[in-house]
Amino acid sequence: QSALTQPPSASGSPGQSVTISCTGTSSDVGGYNYVSWYQQHPGKAPKLIIYEVNKRPSGVPGRFSGSKSGNTASLTVSGLQAEDEADYYCNSYAGNNNCVFGIGTKVTVL
Amino acid sequence: EVLLVESGGGVVRPGTSLRLTCATAGFTFEDFALSWVRQVPGKGLEWVSGINWNGGRTGYSDSVKGRFTVSRGNAQRSVYLQMNSLRAEDTALYYCARGLGGSEFSFDSWGQGTLVTVPS
Repeated sequence: QSALTQPPSASGSPGQSVTISCTGTSSDVGGYNYVSWYQQHPGKAPKLIIYEVNKRPSGVPGRFSGSKSGNTASLTVSGLQAEDEADYYCNSYAGNNNCVFGIGTKVTVL
Repeated sequence: EVLLVESGGGVVRPGTSLRLTCATAGFTFEDFALSWVRQVPGKGLEWVSGINWNGGRTGYSDSVKGRFTVSRGNAQRSVYLQMNSLRAEDTALYYCARGLGGSEFSFDSWGQGTLVTVPS
């Protein structure tokens, strides 16, 4: 159960797009379409923004999108806004009633 | 409104036990899986344990397997985490999180967490 690999940081100017990768193995990300993404602001609980690779919960803006290719999932935030500055985590089902989180990516809006 | 409220955290000595409770409201409790996720302050998220809707299926991370036990009481609308043989590395904020109906490890609602501190 090794943590999924994410870049420690990413940044972009308001209005630009930023993409965060989440790399696992064929036993987790690559093996199941159960990848989720969470946004966490300082001092707050995480918030689900993408589930099952590319689905958005009700209320999450359409500028958040997800995809997957092989063992790597990606989250794209288009039209960056100041409030998007936060930590982002991926997680994936890993079989046998287990799941694993990514190490997290800090997104900075320049 | 979906509510998850964790309790039971505290400061305990290494080797001792603690039981966390997650009390819930605002949804049909027996329809949902629940998990415990922890976070060392300033660090990342770590999934700890999960339990399906009827308690018939549980899972644990390698770091807590054999020491922690998850359970649920549908009548009490609560999920529990019994933590034994606590170690310094178990120090973290422990969140209770609800799994989506068709995707148990996509967590759509979270509590505010309860802090467990095990001094080394």
